Amino acid sequence: DGGITQSPKYLFRKEGQNVTLSCEQNLNHDAMYWYRQDPGQGLRLIYYSQIVNDFQKGDIAEGYSVSREKKESFPLTVTSAQKNPTAFYLCASSITGPYSEQFFGPGTRLTVL
Amino acid sequence: AQRVTQPEKLLSVFKGAPVELKCNYSYSGSPELFWYVQYSRQRLQLLLRHISRESIKGFTADLNKGETSFHLKKPFAQEEDSAMYYCALGSGGSNYKLTFGKGTLLTVNP
Repeated sequence: DGGITQSPKYLFRKEGQNVTLSCEQNLNHDAMYWYRQDPGQGLRLIYYSQIVNDFQKGDIAEGYSVSREKKESFPLTVTSAQKNPTAFYLCASSITGPYSEQFFGPGTRLTVL
Repeated sequence: AQRVTQPEKLLSVFKGAPVELKCNYSYSGSPELFWYVQYSRQRLQLLLRHISRESIKGFTADLNKGETSFHLKKPFAQEEDSAMYYCALGSGGSNYKLTFGKGTLLTVNP
């Protein structure tokens, strides 16, 4: 599997610490997305970016921040303000425009102790 | 606001039986609908999109605008179809995004 990578696979942090999750893609996609996947909740959109240096809040952006300085990279920071950060985080990318297929990374499981 | 509802969290069928995974949506514009699938230990991936009107792995889905539904169907389920299935709705417009349903876990028993 190439294309879109997320690291690390598992991440442990103490409560109160910020943590940054990495997402990189070599698909030359303009658009990138961060989702949170919880059991019984499906995928919920955190942030998304259609182009470099621009991004929008998704449905559950509170307590998270992102940057998009390079086309290939879209890191997500889980801040101490996020009330329930323990979750599985998925990154995706796509070309822009309607009916675009999103390509997903393998995910990062974050556990806050 | 756009919303996707998958009423069944779990669905269990026997091999060779027909299977239907339900998806209803709420959206004021022209809907763009997708089914994504996640097999065990694999990445989430696109199964099909309504614009393509194609059959993938024997699955089909028809958009019914009157009933605001996009149910996924397969006439004869196989064990390898066991997976988590997500219905998704595209927002359209310049800030394009997907809204996913909560998913249905399909188990096909031998």
